[in-house]
Amino acid sequence: GAVVSQHPSWVICKSGTSVKIECRSLDFQATTMFWYRQFPKQSLMLMATSNEGSKATYEQGVEKDKFLINHASLTLSTLTVTCAHPEDSSFYICSARRAGATGELFFGEGSRLTVL
Amino acid sequence: QKEVEQNSGPLSVPEGAIASLNCTYSDRGSQSFFWYRQYSGKSPELIMFIYSNGDKEDGRFTAQLNKASQYVSLLIRDSQPSDSATYLCAVNGKKSNTGKLIFGQGTTLQVKP
Repeated sequence: GAVVSQHPSWVICKSGTSVKIECRSLDFQATTMFWYRQFPKQSLMLMATSNEGSKATYEQGVEKDKFLINHASLTLSTLTVTCAHPEDSSFYICSARRAGATGELFFGEGSRLTVL
Repeated sequence: QKEVEQNSGPLSVPEGAIASLNCTYSDRGSQSFFWYRQYSGKSPELIMFIYSNGDKEDGRFTAQLNKASQYVSLLIRDSQPSDSATYLCAVNGKKSNTGKLIFGQGTTLQVKP
């Protein structure tokens, strides 16, 4: 299957600072990447759709200013989280869609963010 | 009504048995359906996908789709303890070329030795 790499795997940030999470498709080009958020014992919630060369499309209720997405190339999307509250602590997972008829998503390893 | 619904479980089966995981979806125009496995603390990994009504088999896994009933299931034959995980059902929206998936809450499977 396709390989999507995400790092860092673990990150801690203090309230008032920000952290950048990178998502790379290693063996294919991804015009579209997706960022999900998952709280313990809950399902994945789509935060935004990242399109190469254009602005990201955010889901309703997701704060654009807090979750800044940049999709600078066909293999790299970044999520910059402004760490405001401990409630921002979560598991953030990126995924990329491989071009073709099947449309399945391949996920990165995920980044566990802890806000102090 | 949730767009994609799964019983959260846990579903407990003995080793060697068949595990049956079920999923219903609300959007009748959905085009493609996916099953992901997620181990605790890890990101989801794709098990299989299905588009057409009927069964699709891949090793010990069989996906079943019934669009009329808006129902998709995953059967795991000869269940192993290593199959213990949360299984996520995902459905592609009407605009199938966007790749936007809607996930169910997941069913936790426990396979007991």
